[in-house]
Amino acid sequence: NAGVTQTPKFRILKIGQSMTLQCTQDMNHNYMYWYRQDPGMGLKLIYYSVGAGITDKGEVPNGYNVSRSTTEDFPLRLELAAPSQTSVYFCASSIAGTGNYGYTFGSGTRLTVV
Amino acid sequence: KNEVEQSPQNLTAQEGEFITINCSYSVGISALHWLQQHPGGGIVSLFMLSSGKKKHGRLIATINIQEKHSSLHITASHPRDSAVYICAVREGPDKLIFGTGTRLQVFP
Repeated sequence: NAGVTQTPKFRILKIGQSMTLQCTQDMNHNYMYWYRQDPGMGLKLIYYSVGAGITDKGEVPNGYNVSRSTTEDFPLRLELAAPSQTSVYFCASSIAGTGNYGYTFGSGTRLTVV
Repeated sequence: KNEVEQSPQNLTAQEGEFITINCSYSVGISALHWLQQHPGGGIVSLFMLSSGKKKHGRLIATINIQEKHSSLHITASHPRDSAVYICAVREGPDKLIFGTGTRLQVFP
């Protein structure tokens, strides 16, 4: 049982490049999330999904896109990378929202944009 | 003022000490989560609380909804407890608000 798997673990991008952060979970969780963690700040929600085919914006969605074609996968796309997107990105999943169920987090992707 | 405040920001302890980390919040919530972030960066969910107290091994979490305050206690602390402990509250559907974390170092 792998839980939530994120790839890659590290990446350096040049300004203007694009990339996709992959996230896969094998727990049949319906809710999935993308967060970013900046130094000295709490995690901020980028996008989330309540099920296949449904996505919604979080607090900081600008510069990102997501898709949820299957229950298992929730990739995060960065278009035209900017230095402000240098951060650690975490994917997470839960059974049915955040209120009454715990989260399972991926191991994170450390992204640097230069 | 942040909606979720944790104290202290940094905490150093000797092995065996009793540890308390505090979390205060200013919004109405339906649940509060305590998370542990390892030095390598991974995040693990420790507790989800909506009232009262929960215990898991040497970890105890309490919440006082009226006072909008929660505490995480670690009994008989050990160097392997060294990590960042994060408090997060659920304000509305699908929205968690995270504190900035408390960095704990336990020395032998």
